[in-house]
Amino acid sequence: ILNVEQSPQSLHVQEGDSTNFTCSFPSSNFYALHWYRWETAKSPEALFVMTLNGDEKKKGRISATLNTKEGYSYLYIKGSQPEDSATYLCASNNAGNMLTFGGGTRLMVKP
Amino acid sequence: SQTIHQWPATLVQPVGSPLSLECTVEGTSNPNLYWYRQAAGRGLQLLFYSVGIGQISSEVPQNLSASRPQDRQFILSSKKLLLSDSGFYLCAWSEFTGGEAFFGQGTRLTVV
Repeated sequence: ILNVEQSPQSLHVQEGDSTNFTCSFPSSNFYALHWYRWETAKSPEALFVMTLNGDEKKKGRISATLNTKEGYSYLYIKGSQPEDSATYLCASNNAGNMLTFGGGTRLMVKP
Repeated sequence: SQTIHQWPATLVQPVGSPLSLECTVEGTSNPNLYWYRQAAGRGLQLLFYSVGIGQISSEVPQNLSASRPQDRQFILSSKKLLLSDSGFYLCAWSEFTGGEAFFGQGTRLTVV
């Protein structure tokens, strides 16, 4: 089981603020890094699946970067909106192995 | 397209009673299937996974068991629930081990 850690555990921001949070994972034998958004009363949904060092992916106002050599990924949200409020989970795995999830970052955006 | 169904959505059970949570996947064949539990401060904890009919691997020893009687059906069971079994349980599937996971709606289990 990998040690995947996310920080901060929770985050309160004002509408319109940009924010970012971190996922760290073991860099040895890295295969993939996943980001999921988990809204209250819904099931987690994948945002990004990243495999290449230096990769950057974007979906609307949300983007993510990946550094496999040092074992971290950042998730950025530009101009946060109340509908961005959710728990953001990252998960990592080595080739052929199961995903290990981090503890999540709970984001609350105040209007 | 693929869909995943998990039921029931909520369940209140007395201590010592049995448990059966069911999950089915449609629109794909031979999926990897998973049962997760939301652990406080630990995100999602993998409980069981299955790569095929009758093949079950357990990640965490506990009071629960899982079965896969059909290709797209995954069942989480217990013979006697404990208070500590209370929590939020999620079923998921993926095309291959470590691939993107697609989750069901979850079951909120309260053991009283």
